[in-house]
Amino acid sequence: KNEVEQSPQNLTAQEGEFITINCSYSVGISALHWLQQHPGGGIVSLFMLSSGKKKHGRLIATINIQEKHSSLHITASHPRDSAVYICAVDLNRDDKIIFGKGTRLHILP
Amino acid sequence: NAGVMQNPRHLVRRRGQEARLRCSPMKGHSHVYWYRQLPEEGLKFMVYLQKENIIDESGMPKERFSAEFPKEGPSILRIQQVVRGDSAAYFCASSPSISKYEQYFGPGTRLTVT
Repeated sequence: KNEVEQSPQNLTAQEGEFITINCSYSVGISALHWLQQHPGGGIVSLFMLSSGKKKHGRLIATINIQEKHSSLHITASHPRDSAVYICAVDLNRDDKIIFGKGTRLHILP
Repeated sequence: NAGVMQNPRHLVRRRGQEARLRCSPMKGHSHVYWYRQLPEEGLKFMVYLQKENIIDESGMPKERFSAEFPKEGPSILRIQQVVRGDSAAYFCASSPSISKYEQYFGPGTRLTVT
């Protein structure tokens, strides 16, 4: 079993819809990252969080440490949000980051 | 303040050649991480370096791969005698000395081995 699991793997939605991407992990972590990878391949760090909730524009990230679960929400989705969203966790035990396999999001105009 | 820079962005090598990938961290960052993203797979940790030190190389293949981060200049990921299976996107990230958890990613180098 992977230490970081994301769902769904693929998601297609209409412009304007509210989007939720989930991330579950099975190890002790010190922080969780949400990353965005565009079709060109570049990676942008969206959020780093260790508790609670963060908001940036139309993006919201939440984390529940007890349940080992995080969600990334996109409000009023737009075609330019189409990308792969990757959840990654900083492990307590060492310096590594473990990545989920990503969620491929496609927003239709 | 320039972000993390990687070059080249695209690199084509024939089997058996050497590949050198460069990563210039953000100004003031002294920690560098290298990750590999194989086609249709997620990112995987390869190596973590501080200036002149390899801290954790547990994700590096045992042969042909090496990394360095000299006192001056960029971090280099070197792949000797490349094979087709080395074709991937290689990303580096850097973090400031006070917070290694805050990683900033470079745009990646896409290596194609023909």
